[in-house]
Amino acid sequence: DQQVKQNSPSLSVQEGRISILNCDYTNSMFDYFLWYKKYPAEGPTFLISISSIKDKNEDGRFTVFLNKSAKHLSLHIVPSQPGDSAVYFCAAPGSSNTGKLIFGQGTTLQVKP
Amino acid sequence: EPEVTQTPSHQVTQMGQEVILRCVPISNHLYFYWYRQILGQKVEFLVSFYNNEISEKSEIFDDQFSVERPDGSNFTLKIRSTKLEDSAMYFCASSDQRGPNNEQFFGPGTRLTVL
Repeated sequence: DQQVKQNSPSLSVQEGRISILNCDYTNSMFDYFLWYKKYPAEGPTFLISISSIKDKNEDGRFTVFLNKSAKHLSLHIVPSQPGDSAVYFCAAPGSSNTGKLIFGQGTTLQVKP
Repeated sequence: EPEVTQTPSHQVTQMGQEVILRCVPISNHLYFYWYRQILGQKVEFLVSFYNNEISEKSEIFDDQFSVERPDGSNFTLKIRSTKLEDSAMYFCASSDQRGPNNEQFFGPGTRLTVL
């Protein structure tokens, strides 16, 4: 099941710079996308989401961009902080409306002080 | 802040043994889920549960797996006869609504090691 893909397993950025995490999807029926953040020894925590009727959603330092024609979304973190170091998962709800989330493989972000 | 809790944090078992993983969802949530993450792989959906019934299950969730809400607070995942490939991190999640924009709250996970 490769409906949601994160092709970069890791990303390293300097504190204060922008972090850009990418996600691609194959199912054009997806109409909502979520980003989760996961620290070691913890469960994923919801970060930000976007509906397919929008192309941008911003929440503080976090902005998600959606390009439906390219089936691509990205999460921008500006400015990046060392506490942002975590694994970031892109996810989309399954079509059956039972709450199932389909996750990407995750990208490990390291923000260096 | 309310949170989802899971016990135990780590479970070691022998192949063929039964295990029960326990979760206490957030108290006013009605929708419950189990996911798992094999080391180095993606988080995979196992099952969703609402109104004392399974709403959806994945192909991973075969006859060896079952879920139960035995009382008003606990939500359990049972693996009847564990296999080596069941070794993974198991996450419970809950939400107060269902739909495309539901925010699911995850527990810290139970690491299951099958020897």
